[in-house]
Amino acid sequence: GAVVSQHPSWVICKSGTSVKIECRSLDFQATTMFWYRQFPKQSLMLMATSNEGSKATYEQGVEKDKFLINHASLTLSTLTVTSAHPEDSSFYICSARGLQGANQPQHFGDGTRLSIL
Amino acid sequence: AQSVTQLDSQVPVFEEAPVELRCNYSSSVSVYLFWYVQYPNQGLQLLLKYLSGSTLVKGINGFEAEFNKSQTSFHLRKPSVHISDTAEYFCAVSERTSGSRLTFGEGTQLTVNP
Repeated sequence: GAVVSQHPSWVICKSGTSVKIECRSLDFQATTMFWYRQFPKQSLMLMATSNEGSKATYEQGVEKDKFLINHASLTLSTLTVTSAHPEDSSFYICSARGLQGANQPQHFGDGTRLSIL
Repeated sequence: AQSVTQLDSQVPVFEEAPVELRCNYSSSVSVYLFWYVQYPNQGLQLLLKYLSGSTLVKGINGFEAEFNKSQTSFHLRKPSVHISDTAEYFCAVSERTSGSRLTFGEGTQLTVNP
């Protein structure tokens, strides 16, 4: 149980393109989803927290207009990197937490490797 | 605010040897504790968690961890490792009150050699 699917797993696109990444909880409902960015050989950096039906809460230094997050249902959140540039190239990982509350662990997707040429 | 320190960035061991990956945390409030494993080009998989109760927690793949409140530690152990345990391991904490966000350590690369 507690499977999170992230799609696509790999994206290569030209500079200036907008890229959408989907995160789905397949067998549970997720009130809260999280988006992380990970640089090579480093830990995960939380970008934003999204709760179903409300606006995402962004971490300091993360551009809201650059990284658009939508959490329209209890099983789907999307991250759109708008007008992507080479410095946005990274490994993006989502996670989801179930309805039961604060003591539930986050379950992670397999990540999306984004490469901007 | 919380912080997590993983004391070893890299741990090389031989197959079938025991291993301990160290994790210390700092927090002004009570926390939940987690260990995650990340294989190359993949997301994170939950190994085990400490919420309350017994301080010795058993997880998947033969791993266990012990919560030590006085030393604010949550070290991960396995008595005999396999080649397939080679991966990055992350210790993480979240506040009990809100539990909203995870604070991760910097990770420990475990490399199991034949």
